[in-house]
Amino acid sequence: EAQVTQNPRYLITVTGKKLTVTCSQNMNHEYMSWYRQDPGLGLRQIYYSMNVEVTDKGDVPEGYKVSRKEKRNFPLILESPSPNQTSLYFCASRVSTDTQYFGPGTRLTVL
Amino acid sequence: ILNVEQSPQSLHVQEGDSTNFTCSFPSSNFYALHWYRWETAKSPEALFVMTLNGDEKKKGRISATLNTKEGYSYLYIKGSQPEDSATYLCAFITGANNLFFGTGTRLTVIP
Repeated sequence: EAQVTQNPRYLITVTGKKLTVTCSQNMNHEYMSWYRQDPGLGLRQIYYSMNVEVTDKGDVPEGYKVSRKEKRNFPLILESPSPNQTSLYFCASRVSTDTQYFGPGTRLTVL
Repeated sequence: ILNVEQSPQSLHVQEGDSTNFTCSFPSSNFYALHWYRWETAKSPEALFVMTLNGDEKKKGRISATLNTKEGYSYLYIKGSQPEDSATYLCAFITGANNLFFGTGTRLTVIP
């Protein structure tokens, strides 16, 4: 089954404690993206990747890092999380201009 | 950051009514437009991928049109049902393959 998986689905952590949210897709898609969704602000792109070892900043990259060492994986790293990073995070993948497939979302709370 | 606007922000209709909403985007550097349906507590799911001026797409009671010259797309729902209640997102893709989401139209269908 074609899918995008994210882990964990829910996470409560404390300020400053490094964390990684994993994202994996099994569709051999070149493009992968991370979004955060906050009430009233819609989906905002954090980082995206056009292929292995090719990443670029989206609209709100501050406080986040990503890597793309393999085509299927695109982890999101928060080196020192802060409360303003409390949000719902989605990973997504696509082939060029075609349909984007979203993961199930990760709800992160930073205390 | 490109400006992709959706209107209205929210909409309440009676079951059986037909409705439509708008996505406005820059008319230059157009490559594709996506429509997504996003139900509460789920991930966005693709409805349509539109690439050509004058494109019309249809899926059951939902259809969409595209005008790339004037920079807008309409989504129509015929005979709304309670299960159509969701947020409808459009996403504009540029020639550089960057994807920008609108903030969505939240539809509530009242039984």
